[in-house]
Amino acid sequence: DTEVTQTPKHLVMGMTNKKSLKCEQHMGHRAMYWYKQKAKKPPELMFVYSYEKLSINESVPSRFSPECPNSSLLNLHLHALQPEDSALYLCASSASGSSYNEQFFGPGTRLTVL
Amino acid sequence: AQSVAQPEDQVNVAEGNPLTVKCTYSVSGNPYLFWYVQYPNRGLQFLLKYITGDNLVKGSYGFEAEFNKSQTSFHLKKPSALVSDSALYFCAVRDVSGGSYIPTFGRGTSLIVHP
Repeated sequence: DTEVTQTPKHLVMGMTNKKSLKCEQHMGHRAMYWYKQKAKKPPELMFVYSYEKLSINESVPSRFSPECPNSSLLNLHLHALQPEDSALYLCASSASGSSYNEQFFGPGTRLTVL
Repeated sequence: AQSVAQPEDQVNVAEGNPLTVKCTYSVSGNPYLFWYVQYPNRGLQFLLKYITGDNLVKGSYGFEAEFNKSQTSFHLKKPSALVSDSALYFCAVRDVSGGSYIPTFGRGTSLIVHP
């Protein structure tokens, strides 16, 4: 299985809601990433987990809260988001944190904040 | 520090013609270089990478890229374009000696292949 899955595909939420995005991979990868992508722009790194520990937080607002329950799962908890947070949220994984490993991306969750 | 530039926002090519999508990079040491493709409403998909060795790298779907150290370039090429190649292409770089395994992505180039 060489796939990264993400649920849900689409999410519409109000600014007071709490929701979660889920990412799963069964390739035995030990590095997992959350990215935010606006239309026609490159992905912006948000968080990196390496061996289930948060290793990078790119100064992301606290209304985004990542969680890595185990080596296959990655969650992104959302609370009190702003309309400007509307974007495509991409999960990715790589075999390890080594520089030469390519990333495998999921299809993304299209988030709309009203 | 590492950076990558994709000088063209958009590349237009006729089906059957060769295509080139340009990428130049800047790193302190040696680079690891990657190309990804993104189809509409999809995640990024890995195409190919240069780590070391042969400067000509072959990847998925008939794409290839040539690493040129003197010109600090890693242009993506395909001998004969297909309409289905129309997508957004991202070049990415990691500095081998920089200590960070996080890639820096270029701004992306939209490839449009006309029938």
